[in-house]
Amino acid sequence: EPEVTQTPSHQVTQMGQEVILRCVPISNHLYFYWYRQILGQKVEFLVSFYNNEISEKSEIFDDQFSVERPDGSNFTLKIRSTKLEDSAMYFCASSEPPTESGFFGPGTRLTVL
Amino acid sequence: GQNIDQPTEMTATEGAIVQINCTYQTSGFNGLFWYQQHAGEAPTFLSYNVLDGLEEKGRFSSFLSRSKGYSYLLLKELQMKDSASYLCAVRLNSGNTPLVFGKGTRLSVIA
Repeated sequence: EPEVTQTPSHQVTQMGQEVILRCVPISNHLYFYWYRQILGQKVEFLVSFYNNEISEKSEIFDDQFSVERPDGSNFTLKIRSTKLEDSAMYFCASSEPPTESGFFGPGTRLTVL
Repeated sequence: GQNIDQPTEMTATEGAIVQINCTYQTSGFNGLFWYQQHAGEAPTFLSYNVLDGLEEKGRFSSFLSRSKGYSYLLLKELQMKDSASYLCAVRLNSGNTPLVFGKGTRLSVIA
C-alpha cells in the first residue's frame, strides 16, 4: 500500500541552525501539507501546497519557514533559524483531489537545543 | 477562532463499547474526520463524515449532526491495542483546505 515517507525520523540541532525536513508524498497525490505537534499538544496546521505553490499557511508559518517541491517526488520544509519552541513532531500529509482525509507520514521529531 | 472540544481522557474495559464525543464551533464545515494516534506515531485515518448520520466501518462507527455541531466515534469490542489518542478534526472549506484538530482524547483500555 502506498505511503507517505519522511526523513529523517529524528533531527537534533542547535538553536539558530537551519534544518530541512524531507517528505515523499504518495505519487498520484496532488495536495501536500505540513503539520506539527508539540509534545502533549494538538496537531497544528502549518502550510498547504498545490500546483507548485503555497495554497494556505497558518500564523505559525512565518518568514523562518519555507517549503519547496524541488523535483517530482520530494516535498521539503525548511526552518532557517531554529528556535527552542520549534521542537516538535513535524508531519507531512498528502491527499488526492480532496474527498476524504490526507495520509500522514510517520513524522520527523525535531529537537532544538 | 475555531473550537473543537473533546474529553481529555477516557478509560474503558476490554471487550466493552466506548463513545468519544466531539463538539465543534467553526467558521465553516466541510467534513469531520477521526484519527487514531498511538504515542510517538503519526495520526491514522479512521473515518470521515460530511453528511448527517452514522458511518460504520468494522468495529468503528462515527456519527455526525451538523445542526448540533456534534460527532462521536464509537468503538466496539475494545481491544488493548485500541489504547491511543483519538483526534477529531474539521475541514473548514472545500478544496485544498487543511484540517483543524481538537486536542484529542486519550483512551486507556484496561483488562
